[in-house]
Amino acid sequence: DIQMTQSPSSLSASVGDRVTMTCRASQGISSYLAWYQQKPGKVPELLIYAASTLQSGVPSRFSGSGSGTDFTLTISSLQPEDVAIYYCQKYNSAPRTFGQGTKVEIK
Amino acid sequence: EVQLVQSGAEVKQPGESLKISCEGSGYTFTNYWIDWVRQMPGKGLEWMGTIFPGDSDTKYSPSFQGQVSISADTSITTAYLQWSSLKASDTAMYYCARHAESGYNYAPDLWGQGTLVTVSS
Repeated sequence: DIQMTQSPSSLSASVGDRVTMTCRASQGISSYLAWYQQKPGKVPELLIYAASTLQSGVPSRFSGSGSGTDFTLTISSLQPEDVAIYYCQKYNSAPRTFGQGTKVEIK
Repeated sequence: EVQLVQSGAEVKQPGESLKISCEGSGYTFTNYWIDWVRQMPGKGLEWMGTIFPGDSDTKYSPSFQGQVSISADTSITTAYLQWSSLKASDTAMYYCARHAESGYNYAPDLWGQGTLVTVSS
């Protein structure tokens, strides 16, 4: 089975900073990669699908890139409401594995 | 309104059986895959398996194969996650989530509110 590895496991940045996190697949998954945001005590929400397509209603400060095995989620200007755990997920075949998450905090 | 509504929180004893539900509304239930996702306390998301209600095609994660059963009743537009013998380690929040498009290779864009299952003696 394909493993999904996210890094870093956590990060702390200031409001307005550019924040980048990565997700690596153990085998190529083309662009079948999604990013989710889960705020404390809330249901996960889809941010990006097909590696780089922004879900409707998601702020444009979020962007995704990559294909194959290496993917990146970028927040161009970190806002207080972006405090959350971010998960990647491969969804091209079963099992549709999630990464272990990156926790984003405000410095 | 397109939504998934899950059944309420459950408190069970080890060894008991349990079936939790996820009712879809506002869309054609038979046309979209529904995933089940586990989140243990303070931990990350784990994909358990998925079902296509239209023909009951079901796929499981190797980690959950044989531990749970996923089913659906199209007459009441409801998907289920079932255990025959619960363990304390099954204590978690369980989410159902619908794929964004009618097809397998789509990320879920619609999530239920979650069902908290607590297994304790």
